[in-house]
Amino acid sequence: DVKVTQSSRYLVKRTGEKVFLECVQDMDHENMFWYRQDPGLGLRLIYFSYDVKMKEKGDIPEGYSVSREKKERFSLILESASTNQTSMYLCASSSFGDYGYTFGSGTRLTVV
Amino acid sequence: RKEVEQDPGPFNVPEGATVAFNCTYSNSASQSFFWYRQDCRKEPKLLMSVYSSGNEDGRFTAQLNRASQYISLLIRDSKLSDSATYLCVVNKKKSSGDKLTFGTGTRLAVRP
Repeated sequence: DVKVTQSSRYLVKRTGEKVFLECVQDMDHENMFWYRQDPGLGLRLIYFSYDVKMKEKGDIPEGYSVSREKKERFSLILESASTNQTSMYLCASSSFGDYGYTFGSGTRLTVV
Repeated sequence: RKEVEQDPGPFNVPEGATVAFNCTYSNSASQSFFWYRQDCRKEPKLLMSVYSSGNEDGRFTAQLNRASQYISLLIRDSKLSDSATYLCVVNKKKSSGDKLTFGTGTRLAVRP
């Protein structure tokens, strides 16, 4: 089974901190995605990547950046965490042309 | 207007009932459609793809109406284990490739 592993299940950070969320997949998938999920707003795409060192903005990239130095790893960076970035963050991966995304179990981030 | 719209529910039904969820999408260029299931505090998982001709997977039937930009999911003989949030998902064509847009979900609660 494809596994997508997110480094932390729960995280509490202070306003202004730089935050790194890590995601690793073990099935050689080309595509990786970062979403955030908020009540009433559903899943919203932050950034995605179709290849190593490649990144594209999703629908809500402001306040975030990403890094994909290796195919299996896609990192989400909050440059200066703010309280409105408190959310559930979900990483997903898929093969090229395959819409069956596999999600990680999520990181619930609280910014205080 | 949201790209993908769903009734949030909740739908409260007894075991054995038949329940239907609907979803509309705004981008007429969308090519592929899916239903994902998300259990409470878990990550979304692909339930089934939706084809123009309609498709069935056991107790689940999905239908697509491109003219009305409308997708449906029918669950027959509901089980307690069907209780979850059902996410309507469409692809969104971008020059760099395809990516999925998720609806906010419809919550189903099946009672004994």
